[in-house]
Amino acid sequence: QQPVQSPQAVILREGEDAVINCSSSKALYSVHWYRQKHGEAPVFLMILLKGGEQKGHEKISASFNEKKQQSSLYLTASQLSYSGTYFCGTEESAGNNRKLIWGLGTSLAVNP
Amino acid sequence: GAVVSQHPSRVICKSGTSVKIECRSLDFQATTMFWYRQFPKQSLMLMATSNEGSKATYEQGVEKDKFLINHASLTLSTLTVTSAHPEDSSFYICSARDWDTTYTEAFFGQGTRLTVV
Repeated sequence: QQPVQSPQAVILREGEDAVINCSSSKALYSVHWYRQKHGEAPVFLMILLKGGEQKGHEKISASFNEKKQQSSLYLTASQLSYSGTYFCGTEESAGNNRKLIWGLGTSLAVNP
Repeated sequence: GAVVSQHPSRVICKSGTSVKIECRSLDFQATTMFWYRQFPKQSLMLMATSNEGSKATYEQGVEKDKFLINHASLTLSTLTVTSAHPEDSSFYICSARDWDTTYTEAFFGQGTRLTVV
């Protein structure tokens, strides 16, 4: 089941904040967040695991509500470099060789 | 972090010819690699899961005979687009995960822009 991302698109001025949501109809083991710039491969941002563990970097944070089967990505004090398409990828179970199921993406444009 | 290298980054081929795309994990062993296709402004569409030493698992609707996948070693998977046609033009991306680490994020190759003329 493909996760649902919202909003589809966001336009910000530099320094503004944004929240991107990712919801699933199934129980999740983990949620991954990636950013992709035009013509490039996706770049890892965050991973949130069932049980509260998370790994990430940069000035971006995220939350994972296991009960609601949803995750939110928080972009604060946005920079021009934050522009791109954000994808969440979800896993429904643990175990090796499991595949990620990707959302349709949220396009973010940060303007000066 | 782990690195996945994909080659070539761009290829233009004539209709009817075949194109091979390579995906290598440079500093970890990838028993499983994933091949995606992406159309402009769309999400990643999983084509197949490549398993080292065994047959690939294709997603529904993906032609096995057209998109040949070979995963002969723990560091290399190849995708061959056979008898390519203009409708095969797309952005193809491979991904691998290092299952030996605790946090198994997906590492992506640089992608291959295929144009069939």
